Amino acid sequence: AQKITQTQPGMFVQEKEAVTLDCTYDTSDQSYGLFWYKQPSSGEMIFLIYQGSYDEQNATEGRYSLNFQKARKSANLVISASQLGDSAMYFCAMREGLSGKLIFGQGTELSVKP
Amino acid sequence: DSGVTQTPKHLITATGQRVTLRCSPRSGDLSVYWYQQSLDQGLQFLIQYYNGEERAKGNILERFSAQQFPDLHSELNLSSLELGDSALYFCASSFGDTTINEKLFFGSGTQLSVL
Repeated sequence: AQKITQTQPGMFVQEKEAVTLDCTYDTSDQSYGLFWYKQPSSGEMIFLIYQGSYDEQNATEGRYSLNFQKARKSANLVISASQLGDSAMYFCAMREGLSGKLIFGQGTELSVKP
Repeated sequence: DSGVTQTPKHLITATGQRVTLRCSPRSGDLSVYWYQQSLDQGLQFLIQYYNGEERAKGNILERFSAQQFPDLHSELNLSSLELGDSALYFCASSFGDTTINEKLFFGSGTQLSVL
């Protein structure tokens, strides 16, 4: 069964520094997709970035990049030049093969310090 | 704004009662997903509908049911409510059904408090 693990319940980073949020996954499928979502204190879930299992390049979206290491089954989110507005919960999620649903990890709470 | 509309935003009710949560997907999206978010369980997938048909089921209790109507809006019905049902309930939508790279767009959620 698919599983997502985020081992960092909370993290702190200084404004303007880079930060890496860890995510490991478990699946027996060859075809899967990995997603990161951000949940600010206001509660909504915001899509950040996507990586497909067959993508050879790491995904990037502005200040967000995904460090995809397939052999290690890890999909870490890297946020460059952190901003105060990046303070939020971050969730890693996965979709397997023919399944429509996303399965989420427990989340990492990121706090950006001025 | 994701384009997914959920109502109501907040709901306070008593144990044993029944409530209905409503979701309107983004224009053009055919799939609707329901998730429950609580402190102890995290984000749990409940159920998915695609173009009116149930597609996938997660850890949805028998006291909970959902449907997707011809106009593609969806309702999640929660009955015989218990204190433990207090949670943030999200609806999400996507255009397709099983496309790997399809991202989900989430509504702002319904905060349910069972007293």
